[in-house]
Amino acid sequence: DADVTQTPRNRITKTGKRIMLECSQTKGHDRMYWYRQDPGLGLRLIYYSFDVKDINKGEISDGYSVSRQAQAKFSLSLESAIPNQTALYFCATSDSGWEETQYFGPGTRLLVL
Amino acid sequence: DQQVKQNSPSLSVQEGRISILNCDYTNSMFDYFLWYKKYPAEGPTFLISISSIKDKNEDGRFTVFLNKSAKHLSLHIVPSQPGDSAVYFCAASDENSSNTGKLIFGQGTTLQVKP
Repeated sequence: DADVTQTPRNRITKTGKRIMLECSQTKGHDRMYWYRQDPGLGLRLIYYSFDVKDINKGEISDGYSVSRQAQAKFSLSLESAIPNQTALYFCATSDSGWEETQYFGPGTRLLVL
Repeated sequence: DQQVKQNSPSLSVQEGRISILNCDYTNSMFDYFLWYKKYPAEGPTFLISISSIKDKNEDGRFTVFLNKSAKHLSLHIVPSQPGDSAVYFCAASDENSSNTGKLIFGQGTTLQVKP
């Protein structure tokens, strides 16, 4: 079984709709992250969380919100989806500490029409 | 402003030869660098890293070189294998960010290794 899972893997939605992307991990890590990947731009950090009570904005948090329901679960919401949020979204986890490796989920491909 | 740049979107190499992937950065505060590999329909996976106190780190066929004065790092794959065909991302963090796990990624380079 995969250590970091994301659901759904693919999603098509319409402008203005609310959508939630979910991430679960079995690695027992405290830290979780949400990134988006766009062609030619690499991965950009949306939000990150150190633990259930600690959530922080990344470089492109506008239009997104997150919820850390438990150590193992971190959800990303688009309250009112817009076409420029069409992208590949990745969840990642890492242990606490200096220079810890991040482990990524398989990604969710989102298309906003 | 892109702080980590991979200026070559793609690279094609013959099997058995050396692959060299390059990465430039602008923030002199970056002190930890990583390379991730990504296959289609999968998430990125960690490949190799280097701290700014070193100029070289080797792991099997993969070697990362860091030139701090030029703000440049490179990933060498020798010998290249068809299974190395993937997108490679360079990433960096600084002392203030690394304890939060925040990474700045480059745009990625697609490597194709031809049999």
